[in-house]
Amino acid sequence: DSGVTQTPKHLITATGQRVTLRCSPRSGDLSVYWYQQSLDQGLQFLIQYYNGEERAKGNILERFSAQQFPDLHSELNLSSLELGDSALYFCASSGTTNTGELFFGEGSRLTVL
Amino acid sequence: GNSVTQMEGPVTLSEEAFLTINCTYTATGYPSLFWYVQYPGEGLQLLLKATKADDKGSNKGFEATYRKETTSFHLEKGSVQVSDSAVYFCALRRVLTVGNQFYFGTGTSLTVIP
Repeated sequence: DSGVTQTPKHLITATGQRVTLRCSPRSGDLSVYWYQQSLDQGLQFLIQYYNGEERAKGNILERFSAQQFPDLHSELNLSSLELGDSALYFCASSGTTNTGELFFGEGSRLTVL
Repeated sequence: GNSVTQMEGPVTLSEEAFLTINCTYTATGYPSLFWYVQYPGEGLQLLLKATKADDKGSNKGFEATYRKETTSFHLEKGSVQVSDSAVYFCALRRVLTVGNQFYFGTGTSLTVIP
């Protein structure tokens, strides 16, 4: 158990809809990262938050947005969903120690029909 | 910039074969290097890490040595098992004052057949 919790584990929805994925980081970790994993694209970095503030952006579409709340949990919002958005979405957290590593949740599998 | 390049897969080996998965990196400063493993249906988990040049990370029979002169961090195992079948990701981490930034390779899928 990594200590990172993601919900829901599975989600099936239709094109054009909007979904919210939730992540609770490991206790004490201030940084939250979101990644998208699809079969043809590998692991793609989407966005990073540190203590409530956006710190880095990767290949995140304009239809996607995220935020990190004061209690450090984070939500990834995906709107106007397309078939190509079907993927595994991982959340990970890390601390700021020199030996810090990324701890991944089990992922949220999104299927867009 | 910062990036990680790793060997393309998929890789298929027989049980007890020797494994090497190549990883090279480009980075500013002195990054830490990691190998993560993703077993089927699971999230990524840390396999091993090295924080400075010439360090060797090891875990579960896997090893990787941080080679600054060749900017490499190749993953090796002397005798693979069926249970090692997974996707392996090489990654580097930069430590910033406001947190860490991670860069991942594309992943290498390994299948070990009995």
